[in-house]
Amino acid sequence: DAKTTQPPSMDCAEGRAANLPCNHSTISGNEYVYWYRQIHSQGPQYIIHGLKNNETNEMASLIITEDRKSSTLILPHATLRDTAVYYCIVRVRQSGAGSYQLTFGKGTKLSVIP
Amino acid sequence: NAGVMQNPRHLVRRRGQEARLRCSPVKGHSHVYWYRQLPEEGLKFMVYLQKENIIDESGMPKERFSAEFPKEGPSILRIQQVVRGDSAAYFCASSPNRETNTEAFFGQGTRLTVV
Repeated sequence: DAKTTQPPSMDCAEGRAANLPCNHSTISGNEYVYWYRQIHSQGPQYIIHGLKNNETNEMASLIITEDRKSSTLILPHATLRDTAVYYCIVRVRQSGAGSYQLTFGKGTKLSVIP
Repeated sequence: NAGVMQNPRHLVRRRGQEARLRCSPVKGHSHVYWYRQLPEEGLKFMVYLQKENIIDESGMPKERFSAEFPKEGPSILRIQQVVRGDSAAYFCASSPNRETNTEAFFGQGTRLTVV
């Protein structure tokens, strides 16, 4: 799986958009970008994933650059409940034999401030 | 997250005792994954199971750790003769099939403390 680089921490004012960057310069053509988050003391929660095109769901938007070497997760109106560690993971969607694991790095600790 | 049930939520064991962690996947899911999270670290993959089969245990320590997912009942992660270094949060995730393992649903975890 391609390595990702994320800032260790970010602050965002409540009600504003939170833009979380992720660099994945060694991403391969068949690798997707996934985002998970982990709210304190809870299990990780899947947010969104994408391959090339920008994606949007009820939780967030994912913007992937044209060269696919970086992406940004956007929480359009951050709330206090969005305070969490956000993980950017790059990997193929359908894994081959012996490769079923998600590799979680240190992620970005997002603090939403009132 | 609510669909994957793990119990107990908190478990305290003395060194040398056995720890049994249970995971009931989302109804209809036949694929289960176990991860361990040490304090201040990211999650590390341990094992991937389908019903009655271990598919990938590349992340499991070679000794004292075992996992099963029987035909009936929850998946069990068993740690024999626990040591202080086993203290961690253990998370279980499930998915309906292999192709969607990257959008797996995680449980709330079991926090094991070895004293």
